[in-house]
Amino acid sequence: DAGVTQSPTHLIKTRGQQVTLRCSPKSGHDTVSWYQQALGQGPQFIFQYYEEEERQRGNFPDRFSGHQFPNYSSELNVNALLLGDSALYLCASSTGDGFNSPLHFGNGTRLTVT
Amino acid sequence: QKEVEQDPGPLSVPEGAIVSLNCTYSNSAFQYFMWYRQYSRKGPELLMYTYSSGNKEDGRFTAQVDKSSKYISLFIRDSQPSDSATYLCAMRVNFGNEKLTFGTGTRLTIIP
Repeated sequence: DAGVTQSPTHLIKTRGQQVTLRCSPKSGHDTVSWYQQALGQGPQFIFQYYEEEERQRGNFPDRFSGHQFPNYSSELNVNALLLGDSALYLCASSTGDGFNSPLHFGNGTRLTVT
Repeated sequence: QKEVEQDPGPLSVPEGAIVSLNCTYSNSAFQYFMWYRQYSRKGPELLMYTYSSGNKEDGRFTAQVDKSSKYISLFIRDSQPSDSATYLCAMRVNFGNEKLTFGTGTRLTIIP
């Protein structure tokens, strides 16, 4: 049973560019959340998608946007990249009822902005 | 002030020792508490998931929640070198609000 898979594993971009990160949730999960983890910090919540809609959003600018597809997979898009966007981007999946379905994380995409 | 405070360490203990990891929080609305383990170059892995005050035990791991003090702990008994990792506490308000708020993580090394 495949867990949460993310692609690519590493990415190097230049300031001002745009990036798209991809996530496939664990089998049976319908909810996808994205987190940003800066070096030496805990993950910070970006947003969550359920039934192809953004259900909740953290304190991130509009440069961060996302999408969920009918097969529950998801993309995170970041426009106008800044040096401070360099981080590990984690995707987590769960089922819609929340309490009985803790988040399962992928291994992340490490983004470096130069 | 951060909503969740966690000593980043690093913490080094000899193999077989009891490890105590702690977090404090300021938001009294938090009701669900989790501990995640994160190995280098990997995503966080759920270790313990608790609701309300009290203790929960799972093998060598014990999670403790004291809501009156806004303080949670994770104890690891008979620590092993394979326990070397970063430990993240996380919490959320309720099951309908799935956003997790994490601590900064404590980097733990078990010395053989």
